[in-house]
Amino acid sequence: KAGVTQTPRYLIKTRGQQVTLSCSPISGHRSVSWYQQTPGQGLQFLFEYFSETQRNKGNFPGRFSGRQFSNSRSEMNVSTLELGDSALYLCASSYRETNTEAFFGQGTRLTVV
Amino acid sequence: EDKVVQSPLSLVVHEGDTVTLNCSYEVTNFRSLLWYKQEKKAPTFLFMLTSSGIEKKSGRLSSILDKKELFSILNITATQTGDSAIYLCAVDFANAGGTSYGKLTFGQGTILTVHP
Repeated sequence: KAGVTQTPRYLIKTRGQQVTLSCSPISGHRSVSWYQQTPGQGLQFLFEYFSETQRNKGNFPGRFSGRQFSNSRSEMNVSTLELGDSALYLCASSYRETNTEAFFGQGTRLTVV
Repeated sequence: EDKVVQSPLSLVVHEGDTVTLNCSYEVTNFRSLLWYKQEKKAPTFLFMLTSSGIEKKSGRLSSILDKKELFSILNITATQTGDSAIYLCAVDFANAGGTSYGKLTFGQGTILTVHP
Protein backbone atom coordinates (compact mmCIF):
# COMPACT_ATOMS: atom_id res chain seq x y z
CA LYS A 1 0.00 0.00 0.00
CA ALA A 2 1.55 3.29 -1.08
CA GLY A 3 2.06 5.90 1.61
CA VAL A 4 1.20 9.57 1.61
CA THR A 5 2.92 11.33 -1.28
CA GLN A 6 3.80 15.00 -1.24
CA THR A 7 5.16 17.00 -4.13
CA PRO A 8 7.42 18.76 -4.63
CA ARG A 9 9.91 17.72 -1.97
CA TYR A 10 11.82 21.00 -2.05
CA LEU A 11 10.89 24.46 -3.20
CA ILE A 12 12.61 27.84 -3.20
CA LYS A 13 10.45 30.89 -3.77
CA THR A 14 10.87 34.63 -3.57
CA ARG A 15 8.94 36.88 -1.22
CA GLY A 16 5.64 37.95 -2.71
CA GLN A 17 5.26 34.89 -4.91
CA GLN A 18 2.68 32.19 -4.41
CA VAL A 19 3.13 28.45 -4.12
CA THR A 20 0.98 25.34 -4.45
CA LEU A 21 1.82 22.11 -2.67
CA SER A 22 0.24 18.77 -3.41
CA CYS A 23 -0.65 15.77 -1.27
CA SER A 24 -1.93 12.36 -2.36
CA PRO A 25 -3.31 10.40 0.60
CA ILE A 26 -3.15 6.69 1.22
CA SER A 27 -5.67 4.89 -0.95
CA GLY A 28 -9.04 4.76 0.80
CA HIS A 29 -8.25 7.61 3.18
CA ARG A 30 -10.69 10.47 2.91
CA SER A 31 -9.24 12.90 5.42
CA VAL A 32 -6.24 15.06 4.63
CA SER A 33 -4.67 17.44 7.14
CA TRP A 34 -1.90 19.96 6.63
CA TYR A 35 0.68 21.04 9.19
CA GLN A 36 3.48 23.57 9.24
CA GLN A 37 6.63 22.61 11.10
CA THR A 38 9.25 25.18 12.15
CA PRO A 39 12.03 24.92 14.72
CA GLY A 40 10.46 27.61 16.89
CA GLN A 41 6.77 26.66 16.75
CA GLY A 42 6.89 22.92 16.22
CA LEU A 43 4.05 21.26 14.33
CA GLN A 44 1.06 23.52 13.87
CA PHE A 45 -2.25 22.59 12.32
CA LEU A 46 -3.24 24.43 9.17
CA PHE A 47 -6.49 22.79 8.01
CA GLU A 48 -8.26 19.51 7.44
CA TYR A 49 -10.37 18.32 4.56
CA PHE A 50 -12.80 15.45 4.46
CA SER A 51 -14.78 14.53 1.38
CA GLU A 52 -13.85 17.82 -0.29
CA THR A 53 -15.04 19.91 2.66
CA GLN A 54 -12.82 21.91 4.97
CA ARG A 55 -13.88 20.81 8.44
CA ASN A 56 -11.35 22.62 10.56
CA LYS A 57 -8.87 25.44 10.20
CA GLY A 58 -5.93 26.52 12.35
CA ASN A 59 -4.84 30.01 13.28
CA PHE A 60 -3.13 31.00 10.07
CA PRO A 61 -3.76 34.07 7.91
CA GLY A 62 -6.01 33.93 4.88
CA ARG A 63 -2.95 33.70 2.63
CA PHE A 64 -2.99 29.99 3.46
CA SER A 65 -5.72 28.09 1.68
CA GLY A 66 -6.40 24.62 0.47
CA ARG A 67 -8.78 22.34 -1.29
CA GLN A 68 -9.53 18.68 -1.74
CA PHE A 69 -10.56 16.92 -4.90
CA SER A 70 -13.05 14.11 -5.40
CA ASN A 71 -10.20 11.56 -5.42
CA SER A 72 -9.14 12.86 -1.96
CA ARG A 73 -5.96 14.46 -3.27
CA SER A 74 -5.38 17.82 -1.67
CA GLU A 75 -3.56 21.00 -2.53
CA MET A 76 -2.40 23.78 -0.30
CA ASN A 77 -1.74 27.28 -1.56
CA VAL A 78 0.19 30.10 0.04
CA SER A 79 -0.07 33.51 -1.59
CA THR A 80 2.13 36.57 -1.11
CA LEU A 81 4.90 34.55 0.49
CA GLU A 82 6.78 35.97 3.46
CA LEU A 83 10.17 34.96 4.82
CA GLY A 84 8.44 33.51 7.88
CA ASP A 85 6.59 31.01 5.69
CA SER A 86 9.82 29.06 5.29
CA ALA A 87 9.04 25.71 6.88
CA LEU A 88 8.45 22.03 6.38
CA TYR A 89 4.87 21.50 5.27
CA LEU A 90 3.53 18.11 6.19
CA CYS A 91 0.41 16.42 4.99
CA ALA A 92 -1.28 13.59 6.88
CA SER A 93 -4.06 11.28 5.81
CA SER A 94 -6.40 9.10 7.79
CA TYR A 95 -9.56 7.11 7.30
CA ARG A 96 -11.04 9.31 9.98
CA GLU A 97 -14.48 7.70 10.25
CA THR A 98 -13.49 5.01 12.73
CA ASN A 99 -10.08 6.04 14.01
CA THR A 100 -7.71 8.94 14.10
CA GLU A 101 -4.44 7.27 13.16
CA ALA A 102 -2.87 9.83 10.87
CA PHE A 103 -0.02 8.93 8.55
CA PHE A 104 2.35 11.60 7.33
CA GLY A 105 4.04 12.23 4.02
CA GLN A 106 7.69 13.18 3.64
CA GLY A 107 6.83 16.85 3.53
CA THR A 108 7.69 19.75 1.30
CA ARG A 109 10.57 21.93 2.42
CA LEU A 110 9.69 25.49 1.41
CA THR A 111 12.35 28.17 1.54
CA VAL A 112 11.35 31.78 0.94
CA VAL A 113 14.17 34.14 0.03
CA GLU B 1 -6.74 26.68 25.04
CA ASP B 2 -5.83 23.07 24.33
CA LYS B 3 -2.27 22.31 25.30
CA VAL B 4 0.14 19.38 25.00
CA VAL B 5 3.43 19.48 26.92
CA GLN B 6 6.26 17.01 26.55
CA SER B 7 9.19 16.44 28.84
CA PRO B 8 12.06 16.34 28.82
CA LEU B 9 12.72 18.47 25.75
CA SER B 10 15.96 16.62 25.13
CA LEU B 11 17.63 13.53 26.45
CA VAL B 12 21.04 11.99 25.86
CA VAL B 13 21.60 8.35 26.80
CA HIS B 14 23.88 5.45 25.96
CA GLU B 15 22.94 2.31 24.10
CA GLY B 16 21.23 -0.16 26.35
CA ASP B 17 19.66 2.45 28.62
CA THR B 18 15.90 2.62 29.22
CA VAL B 19 14.16 5.93 28.68
CA THR B 20 10.76 7.30 29.64
CA LEU B 21 9.26 10.18 27.71
CA ASN B 22 6.36 12.14 29.15
CA CYS B 23 3.37 13.82 27.59
CA SER B 24 0.73 15.75 29.53
CA TYR B 25 -2.28 17.41 28.01
CA GLU B 26 -5.11 19.80 28.72
CA VAL B 27 -7.81 19.43 26.12
CA THR B 28 -11.54 19.43 26.19
CA ASN B 29 -13.33 16.40 24.80
CA PHE B 30 -10.28 14.16 24.57
CA ARG B 31 -10.55 11.48 21.91
CA SER B 32 -7.11 9.91 21.53
CA LEU B 33 -3.41 10.44 22.09
CA LEU B 34 -0.87 9.54 19.46
CA TRP B 35 2.90 9.07 19.54
CA TYR B 36 5.13 9.63 16.54
CA LYS B 37 8.83 9.24 15.83
CA GLN B 38 10.40 11.80 13.51
CA GLU B 39 13.88 11.09 12.19
CA LYS B 40 14.31 13.27 9.15
CA LYS B 41 11.04 14.42 7.72
CA ALA B 42 7.90 12.30 7.95
CA PRO B 43 6.71 11.60 11.49
CA THR B 44 6.21 7.85 11.72
CA PHE B 45 3.16 6.60 13.60
CA LEU B 46 3.97 4.59 16.74
CA PHE B 47 0.87 4.25 18.92
CA MET B 48 -2.64 5.50 19.36
CA LEU B 49 -4.09 5.38 22.87
CA THR B 50 -7.71 5.88 23.73
CA SER B 51 -8.27 3.98 26.98
CA SER B 52 -6.62 4.43 30.34
CA GLY B 53 -4.37 1.77 31.77
CA ILE B 54 -4.05 -0.38 28.67
CA GLU B 55 -0.43 -0.68 27.62
CA LYS B 56 0.38 -0.73 23.95
CA LYS B 57 3.59 -2.49 23.00
CA SER B 58 5.69 -2.81 19.90
CA GLY B 59 9.06 -4.47 20.32
CA ARG B 60 11.12 -2.39 22.72
CA LEU B 61 8.60 0.45 22.75
CA SER B 62 5.56 0.65 24.96
CA SER B 63 3.12 3.34 25.93
CA ILE B 64 0.31 3.85 28.39
CA LEU B 65 -2.32 6.50 28.96
CA ASP B 66 -3.75 7.88 32.21
CA LYS B 67 -6.94 9.78 31.41
CA LYS B 68 -7.54 10.73 35.01
CA GLU B 69 -4.18 12.43 35.43
CA LEU B 70 -4.10 13.53 31.76
CA PHE B 71 -0.76 12.14 30.72
CA SER B 72 0.94 9.42 28.75
CA ILE B 73 4.39 7.90 28.83
CA LEU B 74 6.45 6.30 26.11
CA ASN B 75 9.05 3.79 27.26
CA ILE B 76 11.95 2.59 25.18
CA THR B 77 14.00 -0.26 26.63
CA ALA B 78 17.50 -1.34 25.56
CA THR B 79 17.92 1.79 23.46
CA GLN B 80 19.85 1.64 20.19
CA THR B 81 21.46 4.40 18.13
CA GLY B 82 18.62 3.97 15.65
CA ASP B 83 16.22 5.22 18.31
CA SER B 84 17.78 8.69 18.03
CA ALA B 85 14.96 10.92 16.82
CA ILE B 86 12.38 13.46 17.87
CA TYR B 87 9.43 11.84 19.62
CA LEU B 88 6.18 13.69 19.20
CA CYS B 89 3.01 13.38 21.21
CA ALA B 90 -0.27 14.62 19.75
CA VAL B 91 -3.83 14.76 21.00
CA ASP B 92 -7.01 14.47 18.99
CA PHE B 93 -10.17 15.85 20.52
CA ALA B 94 -13.80 15.39 19.65
CA ASN B 95 -16.60 17.73 18.78
CA ALA B 96 -19.93 17.69 20.58
CA GLY B 97 -21.03 14.76 18.45
CA GLY B 98 -18.05 12.68 19.56
CA THR B 99 -16.29 12.63 16.21
CA SER B 100 -12.89 14.04 15.55
CA TYR B 101 -12.30 17.65 14.62
CA GLY B 102 -9.62 16.39 12.28
CA LYS B 103 -6.92 18.34 14.07
CA LEU B 104 -3.98 17.01 16.04
CA THR B 105 -2.46 19.26 18.68
CA PHE B 106 1.23 18.46 19.05
CA GLY B 107 3.66 18.86 21.90
CA GLN B 108 7.08 20.40 21.33
CA GLY B 109 8.69 17.01 21.00
CA THR B 110 11.50 15.26 22.88
CA ILE B 111 14.85 15.05 21.12
CA LEU B 112 16.38 11.70 22.03
CA THR B 113 20.06 11.08 21.30
CA VAL B 114 21.46 7.61 21.86
CA HIS B 115 25.25 7.33 21.92
CA PRO B 116 27.00 4.04 21.11
